[in-house]
Amino acid sequence: AQKVTQAQTEISVVEKEDVTLDCVYETRDTTYYLFWYKQPPSGELVFLIRRNSFDEQNEISGRYSWNFQKSTSSFNFTITASQVVDSAVYFCALSEPGTGANNLFFGTGTRLTVIP
Amino acid sequence: SAVISQKPSRDICQRGTSLTIQCQVDSQVTMMFWYRQQPGQSLTLIATANQGSEATYESGFVIDKFPISRPNLTFSTLTVSNMSPEDSSIYLCSVSGTAIYEQYFGPGTRLTVT
Repeated sequence: AQKVTQAQTEISVVEKEDVTLDCVYETRDTTYYLFWYKQPPSGELVFLIRRNSFDEQNEISGRYSWNFQKSTSSFNFTITASQVVDSAVYFCALSEPGTGANNLFFGTGTRLTVIP
Repeated sequence: SAVISQKPSRDICQRGTSLTIQCQVDSQVTMMFWYRQQPGQSLTLIATANQGSEATYESGFVIDKFPISRPNLTFSTLTVSNMSPEDSSIYLCSVSGTAIYEQYFGPGTRLTVT
């Protein structure tokens, strides 16, 4: 079963619009970590945020905000007032250190295109 | 945070040849990981490389095809052997930091097999 589901394959928005990228995860561990990464066309993975399973506080960083809800196993990412530079593929990922493995399970990614 | 470099950054190789990708970290790390990202796809873990032991491969990946070395705590190599066009991907190295939840990625190696 897919551990991380990003149901939105592609999203297009017009510049200055707000956009939310969805992420639903599945785990049996009580201790886990969730991540969001940005992958611009150049290919490198840019770390955006990490949350642990015990911290459900929402977080805001500039135009970015994250909504973590354990009740629905979701960790959604909102970009406010989108800009062309936000165009990229965004990956949600899960780490389950309780299993003894520290690797990340990635979702399939959401390609965001911001139209000027 | 760890700074990771990979060599080469990109390469175009002929079918049947092999390519070795290097991953260098600026600090000692316990765990290193190799991921593959096929065109338009997500990242898939190939193997986990720990210093002093053989790499642990994920289902669908074998040592003969993707031999890995981990000679010390700052360096690892991944070889893509007997390449075919299906091996065309971005190969990324990542490391686990001092805190188990820390994950840092290298810039990736973009491989094209013709």
